[in-house]
Amino acid sequence: AQSVSQHNHHVILSEAASLELGCNYSYGGTVNLFWYVQYPGQHLQLLLKYFSGDPLVKGIKGFEAEFIKSKFSFNLRKPSVQWSDTAEYFCAVSSFGNEKLTFGTGTRLTIIP
Amino acid sequence: DAGITQSPRHKVTETGTPVTLRCHQTENHRYMYWYRQDPGHGLRLIHYSYGVKDTDKGEVSDGYSVSRSKTEDFLLTLESATSSQTSVYFCAIGIREGYEQYFGPGTRLTVT
Repeated sequence: AQSVSQHNHHVILSEAASLELGCNYSYGGTVNLFWYVQYPGQHLQLLLKYFSGDPLVKGIKGFEAEFIKSKFSFNLRKPSVQWSDTAEYFCAVSSFGNEKLTFGTGTRLTIIP
Repeated sequence: DAGITQSPRHKVTETGTPVTLRCHQTENHRYMYWYRQDPGHGLRLIHYSYGVKDTDKGEVSDGYSVSRSKTEDFLLTLESATSSQTSVYFCAIGIREGYEQYFGPGTRLTVT
């Protein structure tokens, strides 16, 4: 069975700081990886996705993530955060032959102006 | 916007009453999903569908049933609501054989 761990439950940063949110998954086969963002009171929006190819994936709003297969990780990064990035971020994984997503418990990001 | 609507958007109901939530999509996607979101748990899959009349259970299916009689509609029913089912419910559609999912706006359900 696949599982996802997000070790940072709540991260607080000042504007312009750099961001890295951790995501580790457990599954030995081929995986597809996703980051979703949920702004306060809204639904989940897809931030970026990895299926294959270049392990450095660029998404919307200046976010990127790097798939490191040897570490089973897919960490989310942004070089300079803005107050509008305040939201909850979810990492998710799906695997070949399994049409279901497994989500991490989420990381709440608070940006201080 | 993946063309997904959910109704109602908010509902308050009493323990023991039946409740049905509706998810409607406009783009003829084969895969549809129901999740619940609770603090500290992320999103957990309740049920999903891979075609009309084809459904399967997720990790938290107890107390819930689903039906899909048309491609565009996926219904989630709580036969007898309990306070533990107070949650935010999200519907999603899946593309790429369900590997990639897009979410609806959610329904906030409170069971008193």
